[in-house]
Amino acid sequence: GAGVSQSPSNKVTEKGKDVELRCDPISGHTALYWYRQRLGQGLEFLIYFQGNSAPDKSGLPSDRFSAERTGESVSTLTIQRTQQEDSAVYLCASSYGLAEQYFGPGTRLTVL
Amino acid sequence: GIQVEQSPPDLILQEGANSTLRCNFSDSVNNLQWFHQNPWGQLINLFYIPSGTKQNGRLSATTVATERYSLLYISSSQTTDSGVYFCAVGGSTSGTYKYIFGTGTRLKV
Repeated sequence: GAGVSQSPSNKVTEKGKDVELRCDPISGHTALYWYRQRLGQGLEFLIYFQGNSAPDKSGLPSDRFSAERTGESVSTLTIQRTQQEDSAVYLCASSYGLAEQYFGPGTRLTVL
Repeated sequence: GIQVEQSPPDLILQEGANSTLRCNFSDSVNNLQWFHQNPWGQLINLFYIPSGTKQNGRLSATTVATERYSLLYISSSQTTDSGVYFCAVGGSTSGTYKYIFGTGTRLKV
């Protein structure tokens, strides 16, 4: 595609519910990254996929967070039993190898 | 792990002024980018610059990898330059690759 796309753009959920966020990377990009940005703060690295290698999950904030990627295509970030502190913008980026990253528009998650 | 520090944290400029933003990092890196986050939250790529110097219009950047810093120059600033400027670096520590963002410089023109 022309750029990285993410869906939904906004998600409002109740505390305790599960949510699934989707990222479609730029076609041909081998690496995919997820970040979290809380209001007024910088970006927090969550997880990184590169080709068929096992992803580095060390940035995930708790075991309620998980992510999957199908080959070098779409990725989903799942948050189980959401808490209010999970409210943030979740950003996805992709790159060819470890080169320049291109970001999607983000998903704004609000947990009530 | 890799530490990234940006300075200054906040900057107010008159339109037409020049400025220099700095990014210091603590370890060897093989990837460095500068981004502008506009008021709508979109991250815009400015430079991919793990080393050397690049220029794009009123913006230029220099990375001195051996001394672990990068500089972003903004000349003849305009109101559209307002927003947050992030430096981000990527490198391997303990066998795992990390991509770390600095805390940003908030610019108001």
